[in-house]
Amino acid sequence: KAGVTQTPRYLIKTRGQQVTLSCSPISGHRSVSWYQQTPGQGLQFLFEYFSETQRNKGNFPGRFSGRQFSNSRSEMNVSTLELGDSALYLCASSLVEGSGNTIYFGEGSWLTVV
Amino acid sequence: GQSLEQPSEVTAVEGAIVQINCTYQTSGFYGLSWYQQHDGGAPTFLSYNALDGLEETGRFSSFLSRSDSYGYLLLQELQMKDSASYFCAVRDLNYGQNFVFGPGTRLSVLP
Repeated sequence: KAGVTQTPRYLIKTRGQQVTLSCSPISGHRSVSWYQQTPGQGLQFLFEYFSETQRNKGNFPGRFSGRQFSNSRSEMNVSTLELGDSALYLCASSLVEGSGNTIYFGEGSWLTVV
Repeated sequence: GQSLEQPSEVTAVEGAIVQINCTYQTSGFYGLSWYQQHDGGAPTFLSYNALDGLEETGRFSSFLSRSDSYGYLLLQELQMKDSASYFCAVRDLNYGQNFVFGPGTRLSVLP
C-alpha cells in the first residue's frame, strides 16, 4: 500500500509569489491534515479536510488555504509568500476524521522563500 | 489553551535505556501519541496511550498519567538508528480536536 505522497519535494520561490503543494493520501484514507514545521516553531497544525470540507483550521493567516478533492487528494496554497514561510510542509492522512491518534505523514515539501 | 513540554535534548549510549518525558496543560484530550522523526524524514507513529498506564511495543513503551498531566516514552536497548527527534502529541478537545505537538526531543545515541 502506497504511503502519503507529497509533491513537489523541494521548491524555491521568491517573496510575493504564490505556491501550491499537493498531497495524495493513503488509499482509502479520507482525512487529510497539513502541518508546517520550522526549527523555531516546531510542528504546527494548518488545517484538516474530510470529505472535501475543511473541518479545522490552525492559527495561520488567510494567505494559507487549502482544499480537498472528491478523491481525497488535497492541495494547499500560500499566497504572497514571505521569507518566514520557508519551512517543511507536511501532509498527513488518516482513515476517518479524528481517527484515533494515528496519522500517517508524507515526506513533506521543503519550501524556501528568497 | 494547550501546551506540551519536552526536554530539548537527551543523550545516551548504545544498549542503554532512556526516558523522554512529556508534560501537558490541556483540560481535555483523547490520548497521548508519540512520533519519531529522523533528520530529513517524515514523522512516523510510535505509540498511543488512550488510557492511563503503560503500553509496550517492542523496545518502545509509553506511559500516561492523566492525573499528573504527564507521560513518557521509554526506549530500551538503544541502537544507533534510534537517534532522531521524538514528539509527543495530543488531539486537544479545546483546540478543535486538532493535533498539538510538543517541541520535540532530540535523542543522540552514542557508540
